[in-house]
Amino acid sequence: EAQVTQNPRYLITVTGKKLTVTCSQNMNHEYMSWYRQDPGLGLRQIYYSMNVEVTDKGDVPEGYKVSRKEKRNFPLILESPSPNQTSLYFCASSWSMVYNEQFFGPGTRLTVL
Amino acid sequence: ILNVEQSPQSLHVQEGDSTNFTCSFPSSNFYALHWYRWETAKSPEALFVMTLNGDEKKKGRISATLNTKEGYSYLYIKGSQPEDSATYLCAPESGGTSYGKLTFGQGTILTVHP
Repeated sequence: EAQVTQNPRYLITVTGKKLTVTCSQNMNHEYMSWYRQDPGLGLRQIYYSMNVEVTDKGDVPEGYKVSRKEKRNFPLILESPSPNQTSLYFCASSWSMVYNEQFFGPGTRLTVL
Repeated sequence: ILNVEQSPQSLHVQEGDSTNFTCSFPSSNFYALHWYRWETAKSPEALFVMTLNGDEKKKGRISATLNTKEGYSYLYIKGSQPEDSATYLCAPESGGTSYGKLTFGQGTILTVHP
C-alpha cells in the first residue's frame, strides 16, 4: 500500500530532551516536507527536501533540523525541544516539488512539558 | 509568507444543500492552486491541483474553479452529505524565490447535518 508513515504518533516529552520524529514513504517520491499545525495558524512548513541531500528551510525552521540521506526517509529532529514546539506535525511527500499533490502521513502529536 | 484567505471560516448546512467556499491568494508568482480535504482525526487528502486560469475540476459532487488573474478559487459541493463534513484547505503554490512552496490557508470547516 502506498503510504507515508510517521513515528511516533504521540509523544510527551520534557524541555531539552532531544527527540526524532521519523517519516518514511514507499512511493519513490522526490519531494518531502514537514509541517506543523497549530490552532488558528493553519499548516506551516518547517523544512522541505527536493531530493536526497537537498534540504531547505520553510516558514518556521527555528528549533528544528532535518536530513535526507535516503530518498524514502526524512526525519525531523528537535535538538532541544521547548514548550512552544508542542504541536501536531505532518510529514508529506510528492513526486516532485511543483504541480503535484502531496500525500500526508498520519501526523505526530507532540507535547513538550 | 503569502496571505491566503479562506471564507467562511465555518459553515453548517443541511444534508442535500449545495454549498461553496472561497480561497483568495496573491496572483503574482502563481504556479498552482491545491485543494485538500481534512477529516477529523485523519490527515489531509488532495482533492485538486489546478494550474490554468479558468480551470475547472470535478470529483464526484465536488468541483472547483480557478481565477489566477484576480487570485481566487471556489470550491463547490453539490448535495452535501454528512460524510462531506471536514475542513477544506486551499494552498497556492508559488514561483520565484519560493519555487514550489505551498502556503496553506486556515481552512473552511464544513459541518453537514443529517
